Amino acid sequence: GDSVTQMEGPVTLSEEAFLTINCTYTATGYPSLFWYVQYPGEGLQLLLKATKADDKGSNKGFEATYRKETTSFHLEKGSVQVSDSAVYFCAQNKAAGNKLTFGGGTRVLVKP
Amino acid sequence: GAVVSQHPSWVICKSGTSVKIECRSLDFQATTMFWYRQFPKQSLMLMATSNEGSKATYEQGVEKDKFLINHASLTLSTLTVTSAHPEDSSFYICSARDLGQETQYFGPGTRLLVL
Repeated sequence: GDSVTQMEGPVTLSEEAFLTINCTYTATGYPSLFWYVQYPGEGLQLLLKATKADDKGSNKGFEATYRKETTSFHLEKGSVQVSDSAVYFCAQNKAAGNKLTFGGGTRVLVKP
Repeated sequence: GAVVSQHPSWVICKSGTSVKIECRSLDFQATTMFWYRQFPKQSLMLMATSNEGSKATYEQGVEKDKFLINHASLTLSTLTVTSAHPEDSSFYICSARDLGQETQYFGPGTRLLVL
């Protein structure tokens, strides 16, 4: 079945470090891919998305490129801030109207 | 735009009582709403999908008589945890999506503690 796998955390970084969170998916079709962020005690916020191969989603300095050949959607940020400390979830949605399938989440802690 | 609210944000109740959680889309019409449950430091588990005006579709293993879902309008869905027990304590999150759109917008979550 469809699934999403992302690297386990926690990931601990210093401020201004480079962040990468790996995400791979399995799907029978061509899903849309998402990154959501969850700050402590809050719900999920959509961070970015990509709907087809080679699309790049970007927001708030974060980027992720839809790689069909490697079935990946890795999240990157060039210079993290303490305020980026959160849990990041990768997710896929096979088609409009279908359910989201989430990865396990990756906790990121950025230290000053 | 695309704001989803939940009420209450947290609730403490006694074992055996029922608790109702509301999920509202504030600036769009949510033809579909989803209810998730999240345990500490874990991912979201989809409980059910509800479409406005029809019965909710529950995921395998989720008791429909335990978790009553009503989606009576295009902006409101409710989840009622009936006869709550301590094992129902969790973080409940809803999301909403407009017709033909694929992006889900999430509410801030409701933390339930059953004593």
